[in-house]
Amino acid sequence: DIQMTQSPSSLPASVGDRVTITCRASQSISTYLNWYQQKPGKAPRLLIYAASSLQSGVPSRFSGSGSGTDFTLTISSLQPEDFATYYCQQSDIAHTFGQGTKLEIK
Amino acid sequence: EVQLVESGGGLVQPGGSLRLSCAASGFTFSTHWMSWVRQAPGKGLEWLANIKGDGTYKYHVDSVKGRFTISRDNAKNSLYLQMDSLRAEDTAVYYCARDQILVAKGGQDYWGQGTLVTISS
Repeated sequence: DIQMTQSPSSLPASVGDRVTITCRASQSISTYLNWYQQKPGKAPRLLIYAASSLQSGVPSRFSGSGSGTDFTLTISSLQPEDFATYYCQQSDIAHTFGQGTKLEIK
Repeated sequence: EVQLVESGGGLVQPGGSLRLSCAASGFTFSTHWMSWVRQAPGKGLEWLANIKGDGTYKYHVDSVKGRFTISRDNAKNSLYLQMDSLRAEDTAVYYCARDQILVAKGGQDYWGQGTLVTISS
């Protein structure tokens, strides 16, 4: 099974900050990597698919990069509505989520 | 408008069974792979299973293999998850989700609101 490891688990930040979340796969997954945002009590929302493609309707301050085993999600300038938990997901062989990164207000 | 509405959750005793349903609308259901994902209270997301649009291929993760079965009825635009031999650790919110078709292996682009399953005596 492919394991996904996100870091950090928690990330204190302020409005306007540039933040980066990393995700590492236990084996190469090419660019079969997706990113989701989840707010409390809500279903996840797809932000980025295929490592770097922005899902329709997602603000351009979100971007993704990487291939193989190492990936990043970057938010260029944090907005108040961005404080949430973020998950990476590999979809190369079945699907596996990372453990999540909680983006918190500093 | 794409909509996914889960139902069938509730309180079940350990060892019991439950069948979750997901009613889909607003898109051509038979052309999409569909998935089930769960989230235990205060925990992360766990992808459980998916099924091809025509129902000919299914995959279940090891943690539920042999106990849970994904299925679909394209005539009814419905997705199902039959859950047997339920354990306390199966307590979670269960989501159905649509696999997107813009690109292969592109994740789940629409999700239901979730249905809570509680396993307790």
